[in-house]
Amino acid sequence: DTGVSQNPRHKITKRGQNVTFRCDPISEHNRLYWYRQTLGQGPEFLTYFQNEAQLEKSRLLSDRFSAERPKGSFSTLEIQRTEQGDSAMYLCASSSQGAAGSSYEQYFGPGTRLTVT
Amino acid sequence: QKEVEQNSGPLSVPEGAIASLNCTYSDRGSQSFFWYRQYSGKSPELIMSIYSNGDKEDGRFTAQLNKASQYVSLLIRDSQPSDSATYLCAVNLDPRGGYNKLIFGAGTRLAVHP
Repeated sequence: DTGVSQNPRHKITKRGQNVTFRCDPISEHNRLYWYRQTLGQGPEFLTYFQNEAQLEKSRLLSDRFSAERPKGSFSTLEIQRTEQGDSAMYLCASSSQGAAGSSYEQYFGPGTRLTVT
Repeated sequence: QKEVEQNSGPLSVPEGAIASLNCTYSDRGSQSFFWYRQYSGKSPELIMSIYSNGDKEDGRFTAQLNKASQYVSLLIRDSQPSDSATYLCAVNLDPRGGYNKLIFGAGTRLAVHP
């Protein structure tokens, strides 16, 4: 049973460049989440997919951010025209949908650490 | 008021002692509660989930929930140096109603010294 995977693990980019991150959820999970975490803070919710439908987006997700999950499997998060304030760890999590209880547990991938110079 | 509050610590306990980590939340509609462990530079790892009032035990970990007081805690028995990490409390409003996002506290840093 493989866990959530994310690529790349580290990304250094210059301000103004576009970056794209990929997340592959646990295979039987149909729910996928993106979070952002900065130093000393807990993860902050960005967006949520159920299958291929993006059902919720945070106000944190400005117009420069876009996320997709085209076939309900892997997801991508793109940041356009990066700013220094975008520097953070971007975390992907997945969960299953089913009976109450374990279906609500979210499992995180290793994250992508973005540094904008 | 923050939605999920935790003491930032560090909480320092000697090896073999019980570590007690606390978390309060503001939304009375919250239904699901989780504890994650996060080592420095790593991603959060789920260690406990709790959905109803009372205690839930798993090995050396016990989660306690009191919805009336809007309080959830994590006890770690026989603390080991390998338990030294940041512990994140997370709350989900009501997944059945579609609120699938987790709201996290800022975490409590635990240091277990030999």
